Amino acid sequence: SAVISQKPSRDICQRGTSLTIQCQVDSQVTMMFWYRQQPGQSLTLIATANQGSEATYESGFVIDKFPISRPNLTFSTLTVSNMSPEDSSIYLCSVRNEKLFFGSGTQLSVL
Amino acid sequence: GENVEQHPSTLSVQEGDSAVIKCTYSDSASNYFPWYKQELGKGPQLIIDIRSNVGEKKDQRIAVTLNKTAKHFSLHITETQPEDSAVYFCAASKDDDKIIFGKGTRLHILP
Repeated sequence: SAVISQKPSRDICQRGTSLTIQCQVDSQVTMMFWYRQQPGQSLTLIATANQGSEATYESGFVIDKFPISRPNLTFSTLTVSNMSPEDSSIYLCSVRNEKLFFGSGTQLSVL
Repeated sequence: GENVEQHPSTLSVQEGDSAVIKCTYSDSASNYFPWYKQELGKGPQLIIDIRSNVGEKKDQRIAVTLNKTAKHFSLHITETQPEDSAVYFCAASKDDDKIIFGKGTRLHILP
């Protein structure tokens, strides 16, 4: 398994601001993903974070709203831009090394 | 793309009894089926997975069965205990592809 450290673990933000979430993995992994989990809901894939190239976004998610960086094989960031209350969710970093493992998530509340 | 349906959305069982959660998938090319357990305030934790070359896999009180023809798979928990109370997610994917999740089952173990 992989050890995934995600921070911050939670934050309360004002409408219109941006938050950057960091994800650090204890080993090099090819595949890193960012998921969103709205309250009481399932996990929705936001994008695949590609090392050295632009992230691949799923339908309904765009780079301007959720810019992603992946500078190396152990680290990625997700920014939630120009936040609104509808962005209040848990954001989860995950890595796939045959199996898919998740970080502990970032609980984001937007006022 | 892949679509995963999960039932029931809520399940209550008496402590010591068995619990069964069922999922169906749409893409016949999917060959990897993991199950996750998510406790409150935590990221999803992989509890068992199965690949399409086997029909059943067991790990202590947890078992998963797969019917490729019918495109459905199930999670079985025997001798349930209070610590089994959580939300369970099934998922499906092809090798090295994104993993798609079901909507989740909230399992309550009754004393």
